[in-house]
Amino acid sequence: EPEVTQTPSHQVTQMGQEVILRCVPISNHLYFYWYRQILGQKVEFLVSFYNNEISEKSEIFDDQFSVERPDGSNFTLKIRSTKLEDSAMYFCASSAGSLETQYFGPGTRLLVL
Amino acid sequence: AQSVTQLGSHVSVSEGALVLLRCNYSSSVPPYLFWYVQYPNQGLQLLLKYTTGATLVKGINGFEAEFKKSETSFHLTKPSAHMSDAAEYFCAVSDRAAGNKLTFGGGTRVLVKP
Repeated sequence: EPEVTQTPSHQVTQMGQEVILRCVPISNHLYFYWYRQILGQKVEFLVSFYNNEISEKSEIFDDQFSVERPDGSNFTLKIRSTKLEDSAMYFCASSAGSLETQYFGPGTRLLVL
Repeated sequence: AQSVTQLGSHVSVSEGALVLLRCNYSSSVPPYLFWYVQYPNQGLQLLLKYTTGATLVKGINGFEAEFKKSETSFHLTKPSAHMSDAAEYFCAVSDRAAGNKLTFGGGTRVLVKP
């Protein structure tokens, strides 16, 4: 069964460093998403992406964040200069259509020291 | 803005007993509603969803949920708990007017006692 994959599963970084989280969505999906879950808090929407453009973003998704689909298979989330409060589990999701079910990856746990 | 409230961050049930997880939502438009399950060290897996039509929705692993518009609820049930149901369960509502982003509840962790 097709699934969304994410790498790395865990990442530890120093405050101020750049990190890139990688996702491989399901191959025929066209809509891509990033969510995050800070420990003990709700899963929060960050951004949705379609046709090589951001279609929606939350107030969390400030200038420190960017997304890219560098090739036909990967979807990345970059945090330019990490802060302590960026420590969270980051989930990638994809869907076949704009109102279709979102399928989630296993997440990347990011720890900023 | 949409919101989702899950009553009870932790629920403990005996094996074979009824599982009932409560979810209430607020939405300015007719909602699409979802239940996802997260097993340890895994991603979010779709259990079931409601979009339109029949208000009682059946999902995987014997779970079902009923959409009640008058109560703005979408409670999840399973008649008989199994040890393998131990996981965290998330209710979510889709904002169809905003890129289909999902708004999640806080999650309910289910513990199943033998």
